[in-house]
Order: sequence, then structure tokens, then C-alpha cells
Amino acid sequence: AQTVTQSQPEMSVQEAETVTLSCTYDTSESDYYLFWYKQPPSRQMILVIRQEAYKQQNATENRFSVNFQKAAKSFSLKISDSQLGDAAMYFCAYGGGNAGNNRKLIWGLGTSLAVNP
Amino acid sequence: DTGVSQDPRHKITKRGQNVTFRCDPISEHNRLYWYRQTLGQGPEFLTYFQNEAQLEKSRLLSDRFSAERPKGSFSTLEIQRTEQGDSAMYLCASSPDRWTEAFFGQGTRLTVV
Repeated sequence: AQTVTQSQPEMSVQEAETVTLSCTYDTSESDYYLFWYKQPPSRQMILVIRQEAYKQQNATENRFSVNFQKAAKSFSLKISDSQLGDAAMYFCAYGGGNAGNNRKLIWGLGTSLAVNP
Repeated sequence: DTGVSQDPRHKITKRGQNVTFRCDPISEHNRLYWYRQTLGQGPEFLTYFQNEAQLEKSRLLSDRFSAERPKGSFSTLEIQRTEQGDSAMYLCASSPDRWTEAFFGQGTRLTVV
């Protein structure tokens, strides 16, 4: 079975600085996606960034980028030039083939990010 | 169509009562998921629909839980004889058949008192 581990329950960063959130996962599948979702206090899950396992190039979305190490099964999120609006819970999620290819997501426990002015 | 819609946003119910939640997915998304999220935890998968067919149910979904997706459009999640342990945020997500990500609704927060 697939698992996702986020070892940092809480992180903090100064506004305009850079922070990296860690995520490791375990799978025997070769076809999968990895995601970082953001959940602000309003509670709606918002996709931050997506990585397809077959792509060697790390995904980037504006100030957000990932360091995808497939052999090490590591998927960290880097937030550059942190803004107050980045404060939220961040979840790492795995979406694989699963049984029947239903593509359900397997989630980590989340990292609460505080941004200090 | 602006996204996945869930109703109600909040529900407070007494223990033992039945509750029903509704999810309207993004139009033409044939994949629909329900997840449950308790405070301080990541979401946990409950069930998956491909069009109107319920293709997977988690062991978390006890006999008191039932989900439907008639005609492959909106979905309902019903909890019978609610218990305090059912208090959680219930999240609905949808995806197109060519799955690349899941799109989430704002969730229904259930409080059982």
C-alpha cells in the first residue's frame, strides 16, 4: 500500500524568505502523480503544484517549486519570497494507479506553515 | 460552472439523527470522490464513483454510511444514526476521466452533539 509521510508538523518563515516543506512517500507503482495542496483557514483544498512521476524535470509554478527525487521517493516543496497569504496547512498527496485505476489520493498529515511579518 | 459545490457548508446534528450531504461536481467530470478530514489530520478516502457506479468503498465507510450518484451527476452522502466520532469535514472532489488532479469543494463540516 502507498504511504505519504510529512515529518514537519509545523514550520515558520519570515515574510520574503524561502522555506522548504518535506514529503516522502512509498510506492511500488511506476505511474503516479504527486501533489502539494494548500488548505487555508477557509478549509477549501487548493492545488499548489503537481508532478508527474515520469517527468524528470521538477515542476514550478511561480514562487512554488518542487525537488522531486524519484529514487529516494522524496518530494519537497520550496516556497520562495514567502507572503502572508501563504500561511496555511500544506498537504502532500500521492495519486497513483491504485486498484482499478480509481486515482484516489493518499495524503500526508500536513505541515502548518506560519508566515511572520 | 465555477467549481465543485457542496451543501450544506455546516451541519450540527444530535447524536442518533440522520444527515445527508450533497456534492455537485464540475460539469462533465465523471470521477467523483468523497473524503473525510478530522481536525489536525489529512483527508482519508471514503468512496469513489465513476459516473453512476460506486467502484470503491473504504473500510472507513461503515454500514451507517451510504453514498449515491444517480445519473452520474450530483452525489449524496448519508450518515444514519450519527455518532460523535462522525464529527469531521466531509470533502467532495471531482476529476475528468483523463485524470491529472482532483478539484475540491469547500467541504461540509459536521458536528455531532
